[in-house]
Amino acid sequence: DAGVTQSPTHLIKTRGQHVTLRCSPISGHKSVSWYQQVLGQGPQFIFQYYEKEERGRGNFPDRFSARQFPNYSSELNVNALLLGDSALYLCASSKGGDQETQYFGPGTRLLVL
Amino acid sequence: GQSLEQPSEVTAVEGAIVQINCTYQTSGFYGLSWYQQHDGGAPTFLSYNALDGLEETGRFSSFLSRSDSYGYLLLQELQMKDSASYFCAVLNQAGTALIFGKGTTLSVSS
Repeated sequence: DAGVTQSPTHLIKTRGQHVTLRCSPISGHKSVSWYQQVLGQGPQFIFQYYEKEERGRGNFPDRFSARQFPNYSSELNVNALLLGDSALYLCASSKGGDQETQYFGPGTRLLVL
Repeated sequence: GQSLEQPSEVTAVEGAIVQINCTYQTSGFYGLSWYQQHDGGAPTFLSYNALDGLEETGRFSSFLSRSDSYGYLLLQELQMKDSASYFCAVLNQAGTALIFGKGTTLSVSS
């Protein structure tokens, strides 16, 4: 079975632009979470979606938004990019309410210049 | 809120045993998870302890003491491929997200 997939793998943007990152969960998984990881730190929670509804939101500004589609794939959107948004963006899926065990995708490495 | 403390770096030689400690402060506690992340890779799930005691999975074991808000990951028969970052994590109070420690970088040398 395919694992969590994310696209694109790498992205370079300039300040003020917007970006859309995509994620496909493991088949049968209905929950998708997004995390931001900066160098030398652990992943930081951004959003969790379950059955297409937002179930949790981390301490990120409104420039960050996300949604989950009927096929359980998800998009993360970031508007008005700042230099500090440069990071690895990780998507994780889980079967349902079990959030202790999450399966992470390879991430999208975003560089904002 | 939730916070976790773990050592930033640990070094060891092949074949040795290493223990990575994690202490946590939480508003609510569901259990302690451990993830491994190789350089440039994705975090991968290693273990989860909801109850006190030791859980063993091959060369890796994880321990939890809820009364001490403490856990550890034990890696035995270390191999070069075990060089990676190891994160302990707990769920947030709502149970909707993992809160990660800053990670411990393990370097295994020959």
